[in-house]
Amino acid sequence: DTGVSQNPRHKITKRGQNVTFRCDPISEHNRLYWYRQTLGQGPEFLTYFQNEAQLEKSRLLSDRFSAERPKGSFSTLEIQRTEQGDSAMYLCASSLVYGPVAKNIQYFGAGTRLSVL
Amino acid sequence: GQQLNQSPQSMFIQEGEDVSMNCTSSSIFNTWLWYKQDPGEGPVLLIALYKAGELTSNGRLTAQFGITRKDSFLNISASIPSDVGIYFCAGQLFDGGGSNYKLTFGKGTLLTVNP
Repeated sequence: DTGVSQNPRHKITKRGQNVTFRCDPISEHNRLYWYRQTLGQGPEFLTYFQNEAQLEKSRLLSDRFSAERPKGSFSTLEIQRTEQGDSAMYLCASSLVYGPVAKNIQYFGAGTRLSVL
Repeated sequence: GQQLNQSPQSMFIQEGEDVSMNCTSSSIFNTWLWYKQDPGEGPVLLIALYKAGELTSNGRLTAQFGITRKDSFLNISASIPSDVGIYFCAGQLFDGGGSNYKLTFGKGTLLTVNP
């Protein structure tokens, strides 16, 4: 399977705990994105990387959220001191973009569903 | 954050019927995308549109990029039970400076097909 892979698929945690999610993009893709999706809503953009550089992070929901992509391959999203309002589906997507081109097709993983008790 | 206005919110149809759904925005996009999402899964790309007025088909699916660049529609012909799911439109704006990074999604249209 050469699609976007996310682990774990489900995570249940207690309020106040830290959680980390992993995303493995399609192997040749240079861009990686994180989105959050709550019930009844479309995905909401959080942050993205081009190779190992995090180029946009202003949409991260608070300073409890952080993301890394240390070697330009897989990425992790960490939420510290989780709150019940963090319960959502966290989606990862990847794309291949070279230069200033308009076409940027993002392919999504199956997501990690987080439940904070 | 900003979201697109997608309608209808839900549809209940009989197998074999045609379906139409649309998406509107207060601002322009230069790419429109349609995704389908099954329960517990991530969105799967159906159709991508890059030019105003463009009409593109993918099997029984047809989508169009509105002339004003502020809207798009998706049609599904001869629906079948496996068409059940949530359909999302998404817009992307590219300003020539490499900022075509995020997708703005609608809230989705839930499609139910009765066999």
